[in-house]
Amino acid sequence: KAGVTQTPRYLIKTRGQQVTLSCSPISGHRSVSWYQQTPGQGLQFLFEYFSETQRNKGNFPGRFSGRQFSNSRSEMNVSTLELGDSALYLCASSQHRDSGANVLTFGAGSRLTVL
Amino acid sequence: KQEVTQIPAALSVPEGENLVLNCSFTDSAIYNLQWFRQDPGKGLTSLLLIQSSQREQTSGRLNASLDKSSGRSTLYIAASQPGDSATYLCAVLTTDSWGKFQFGAGTQVVVTP
Repeated sequence: KAGVTQTPRYLIKTRGQQVTLSCSPISGHRSVSWYQQTPGQGLQFLFEYFSETQRNKGNFPGRFSGRQFSNSRSEMNVSTLELGDSALYLCASSQHRDSGANVLTFGAGSRLTVL
Repeated sequence: KQEVTQIPAALSVPEGENLVLNCSFTDSAIYNLQWFRQDPGKGLTSLLLIQSSQREQTSGRLNASLDKSSGRSTLYIAASQPGDSATYLCAVLTTDSWGKFQFGAGTQVVVTP
């Protein structure tokens, strides 16, 4: 069974550009969530999608957006990049809605560097 | 608002010693608590999941306990090995979280040969 796949794995952008990251969840998983990880802030929740609907959004500016497609694949977009957006962006998928059986499985992450 | 704390932030032990990692949370209305391992620059690997109704889970050398009333979970790693060196994170899913797991800052573990 294939795991969570994130692309691209590494990318370098300059300030003001935009970036789109992609996440393919485990087959059958309908929930996809995104987290930003930086050395100073740790893991911070960006948003979560379930069956193409955004159910929750973290405390990030509107430059951060996402969507989920009918096949559960998800993308996140960051516009007008800032130096502080440099981070490891992690995608996770799970099979269930909120329940005790809700197990998060993470991808390897997309490492974004903003110059 | 759920807050998750992991103490200590870093831990160094000689090979063969048992590891004890702590995770505390402020809101006991949880669905589950999950322990992860993260190697430098990599994604998170799930180790154990404890559902709200459970007291502990075991997998090989790993054992995790959950005490909701005191808001604590402990991860025990028996007979540590250098390959256990990594950062260990706990994450909590609360009942009003709508898909958001709240993570602790992690405990960085070094096991010396």
